[in-house]
Amino acid sequence: AQTVTQSQPEMSVQEAETVTLSCTYDTSESDYYLFWYKQPPSRQMILVIRQEAYKQQNATENRFSVNFQKAAKSFSLKISDSQLGDAAMYFCAYRGNFGNEKLTFGTGTRLTIIP
Amino acid sequence: DTGVSQDPRHKITKRGQNVTFRCDPISEHNRLYWYRQTLGQGPEFLTYFQNEAQLEKSRLLSDRFSAERPKGSFSTLEIQRTEQGDSAMYLCAGYRGSGTEAFFGQGTRLTVV
Repeated sequence: AQTVTQSQPEMSVQEAETVTLSCTYDTSESDYYLFWYKQPPSRQMILVIRQEAYKQQNATENRFSVNFQKAAKSFSLKISDSQLGDAAMYFCAYRGNFGNEKLTFGTGTRLTIIP
Repeated sequence: DTGVSQDPRHKITKRGQNVTFRCDPISEHNRLYWYRQTLGQGPEFLTYFQNEAQLEKSRLLSDRFSAERPKGSFSTLEIQRTEQGDSAMYLCAGYRGSGTEAFFGQGTRLTVV
């Protein structure tokens, strides 16, 4: 079974600075997807960024980028130029490439932005 | 807005009572998932529908839980004889077409007292 581990329950960053959230996972599959989801307080969980395992290039979405290390089974999220609206719970999630799309989530990292 | 709505947003019930939650995805969401999220944890998979067919159920889904998706539109999740351990946030997510992005609802927070 796949597992996802987020070892940082809480992180904080000064507004406009850069922060990196860590995620490691365990799987025996060679092809899969990895995601970072953001869950603001009392709001819907939304996708921040996704990475296909077969792609060597790290995904980037505006201020959000990932460092995907397949051999190390590591998938960290870097947020540049942090904004107050980035404050939320961030979940790392894994999905296999076969069968259905059920996601395996980590326990989350609560990110606080300091004005 | 993800287009997925869940009702109610909050539910407080007494132990032993039955509760039912509803999820309304957008019409293009042919696949629908239910997850349960307890305090301090990430969401855990409960069950999955492809249109109206329930194709997989987690071992977390005991006999007291039942889910339906009539006509492949909205979905309901019922919990019979609720227990305190059922207290959690219940999330619904939809997928459209061949997409890989899950669109989540805001969830229903259940408190069993």
